[in-house]
Amino acid sequence: DAGVIQSPRHEVTEMGQEVTLRCKPISGHDYLFWYRQTMMRGLELLIYFNNNVPIDDSGMPEDRFSAKMPNASFSTLKIQPSEPRDSAVYFCASSFGVGSPLHFGNGTRLTVT
Amino acid sequence: KQEVTQIPAALSVPEGENLVLNCSFTDSAIYNLQWFRQDPGKGLTSLLLIQSSQREQTSGRLNASLDKSSGRSTLYIAASQPGDSATYLCAVRVDYGGSQGNLIFGKGTKLSVKP
Repeated sequence: DAGVIQSPRHEVTEMGQEVTLRCKPISGHDYLFWYRQTMMRGLELLIYFNNNVPIDDSGMPEDRFSAKMPNASFSTLKIQPSEPRDSAVYFCASSFGVGSPLHFGNGTRLTVT
Repeated sequence: KQEVTQIPAALSVPEGENLVLNCSFTDSAIYNLQWFRQDPGKGLTSLLLIQSSQREQTSGRLNASLDKSSGRSTLYIAASQPGDSATYLCAVRVDYGGSQGNLIFGKGTKLSVKP
């Protein structure tokens, strides 16, 4: 199994630009999570899906952030417009049900200048 | 609201020492508890998963225990090695309310094993 696949690995963009992060969960997994990690705030949940349906998006900072899961094998996290304070590592993770381990992707390091 | 606390925030030990990392949580309504390892600049790697009905899990030199009634878990590392140096995070999977299935993470313990 290829594991959770995230792209791109690194993204550098200018303030105001749109950023799209992508995630392919492990095949068969029905839970998908988006996290953000910074030195100051640690690991923060942004949103999670169950069977492609958003369950809890209370961690999404503001309207500039949006996430979609059009099918079981793909999810996107979009930031529009991006700001320097969005700079962080964004992780995607997936699991099969609630009783199995959560598997993380390698993350996308976002830098907004 | 579930909160997860890890103490200490950082730990430095000499190679070969046995050590214990602590994790506490405020609400016992959990599906399970999972321990992760994170190396600098990397993602999180799952180490052990303990279901709420279990008391402990073992993998190699690692042993994790769970006392759901007291809201505590420990990760025991035997005969520590420099390669064990990393940040260790615990997370509980919520079993109630509108966020059922969500994971709540602690802030981690940064372990340094000196040769």
